[in-house]
Amino acid sequence: EPEVTQTPSHQVTQMGQEVILRCVPISNHLYFYWYRQILGQKVEFLVSFYNNEISEKSEIFDDQFSVERPDGSNFTLKIRSTKLEDSAMYFCASNRVGYTFGSGTRLTVV
Amino acid sequence: GESVGLHLPTLSVQEGDNSIINCAYSNSASDYFIWYKQESGKGPQFIIDIRSNMDKRQGQRVTVLLNKTVKHLSLQIAATQPGDSAVYFCAETLGSYSGAGSYQLTFGKGTKLSVIP
Repeated sequence: EPEVTQTPSHQVTQMGQEVILRCVPISNHLYFYWYRQILGQKVEFLVSFYNNEISEKSEIFDDQFSVERPDGSNFTLKIRSTKLEDSAMYFCASNRVGYTFGSGTRLTVV
Repeated sequence: GESVGLHLPTLSVQEGDNSIINCAYSNSASDYFIWYKQESGKGPQFIIDIRSNMDKRQGQRVTVLLNKTVKHLSLQIAATQPGDSAVYFCAETLGSYSGAGSYQLTFGKGTKLSVIP
């Protein structure tokens, strides 16, 4: 069964540092997303991406965040200057119809 | 406030019993609802979905019921097994869902289901 692959599974970074979270969506999917889940809380939408541009973004997705599809397979989320409150699980997802989520990257900002 | 929420944060059931997990939503315009299962260290996994023009949908051992009058969604799991232990989330789409394309999900907080062997 096709999977959405995320790397790394766990990333520890110092406050103020830049991080890039990587995702390989399912190959024939057209729509890509990032969601995050702070520990013990609900999954929250960050951004959707289609045709090489952002289609929707939430209030969480401020100027510190950016997304990119640098080639035909990868989809990345960059946080320019991490804050303690950015610590969360970050899930990538893709769809043609129904979503498929990746297993997530646990980001810990210290 | 949140658009989608859950009545109970935890639910413990005996193996073999049926489980019912509930969800309330507040947006009358929501058109499409999905139940996800999340096991520890994994991403949400699709279980079953339902469109707003339906009130019941059945899958393998799972049934989703939608009551639009009271904006209530439930997930019923028949003959609950230890492998069903996980956190269950309901999610909705804001606005109309056309069946394909890009859409944003709003998740509830989740109910942790524990199955007692």
